[in-house]
This record gives sequence, C-alpha cells and structure tokens, in this order.
Amino acid sequence: GAVVSQHPSRVICKSGTSVKIECRSLDFQATTMFWYRQFPKQSLMLMATSNEGSKATYEQGVEKDKFLINHASLTLSTLTVTSAHPEDSSFYICSARDPGTGDQETQYFGPGTRLLVL
Amino acid sequence: AQSVSQHNHHVILSEAASLELGCNYSYGGTVNLFWYVQYPGQHLQLLLKYFSGDPLVKGIKGFEAEFIKSKFSFNLRKPSVQWSDTAEYFCAVNAPWANNLFFGTGTRLTVIP
Repeated sequence: GAVVSQHPSRVICKSGTSVKIECRSLDFQATTMFWYRQFPKQSLMLMATSNEGSKATYEQGVEKDKFLINHASLTLSTLTVTSAHPEDSSFYICSARDPGTGDQETQYFGPGTRLLVL
Repeated sequence: AQSVSQHNHHVILSEAASLELGCNYSYGGTVNLFWYVQYPGQHLQLLLKYFSGDPLVKGIKGFEAEFIKSKFSFNLRKPSVQWSDTAEYFCAVNAPWANNLFFGTGTRLTVIP
C-alpha cells in the first residue's frame, strides 16, 4: 500500500519556539494531504487539509496563523507550529490519498510526530 | 456533524477467542466506513473499508466487518484472535468525497497467549 513518512518522530522544544513537521508520500504523488491531532485517550481530529500549490483549508477552531501548512510539492507537506506553548503538546499525524490506486477515499497515515513543548 | 462511537475502550481476550468490536456512527446520509489498526509503536494501517455493495466486508488478517445501515453500525469481527492482534483499533467514517474523516476514540485489544 501507499507509504507516508513523517519527520521528526519526536521533538521537544522550548515554549515560544517554532517547530516544523514534515510529511512525505514516499511512493506516490499526493495533491492533498491531511493533518490530524490526537490527544491522549482521544480520537484523531482533523486540523487542516493541505492542497498542493494552494492554501490549506483549516477546520473550525484551528488557528491558521499558529499552524502554518505548506504543500510545495506533490510529495511533501509541512506543518509548522509557531510560537509553541505547552498546550500544543500533542501527537500530530498526517495522511494522504493515493489517486493512482483509483480509490479517492482511503487515507494512508504517517507514523506521527510526538511534540512536547516545555 | 458526524460522530463515531466505540463503546469498548479496552478488550482483553485469550488466544482463539472470538472478537467483536462495536462501532456506531451518527450521520443520516451515505457514508464510507473504515477500520484502522495501530500496532504498538507503529502507524495506523487500513484493515478494511466499506463504500458500497455487499455489507459484509472482508479485510486483511482474517478480519471482517458488517455494515448494518438500520443500526448505523459497522462492527469489526474476527473468529479467532491471535496474540499478534494486540493493538488499538479505530473505526472511522466520512461522507463520500468529503475530506474530514471522523474517528472513534479507539478500542485497545489485548490478547493473552
């Protein structure tokens, strides 16, 4: 199946700094990627949809100025958590659809990035 | 808005026992339904999916799920679990062509050898 990678897998940063998380589709091109956030013992919540070559679409309640998304190529989307605070500590997961399979619905997930803001 | 309920938070079974994990969703229209599995230390992997057609869907590793529209349910089953099935299982739902995939809170399955 389609493979999605994320980097880094874990990051610890100081409050007030910015952190960039990369999401790559390794064996396919993805015009659309998705960013999710998962709090402990809770389900994944969609934060935003990343569109190659255009602006990301953010879900209600997600601050677009805080969570900057760039989808500059068909295989890479980045999420930058700007001026991170302890409440931003979470597990961030990206996903992508592989249009080459003919399946326009199934999302393939990356391994996630654990962010801890001190 | 859509929501997904997984009533079992943690299920503990012995090897060879049968498994059924519940999943109910709230959405009145056509839906796509998914079960994902997350093995310890690994990422979410697709177990099976239902878009249309036969409501009994067979997935990988001997898992199956049945879509019962009248009950808004998509329960996951396996007749005989193995220790290697120990993982967290997530049910997810979206409307066709919609980006937002709604997840349940997950069910942790522990299989005792």
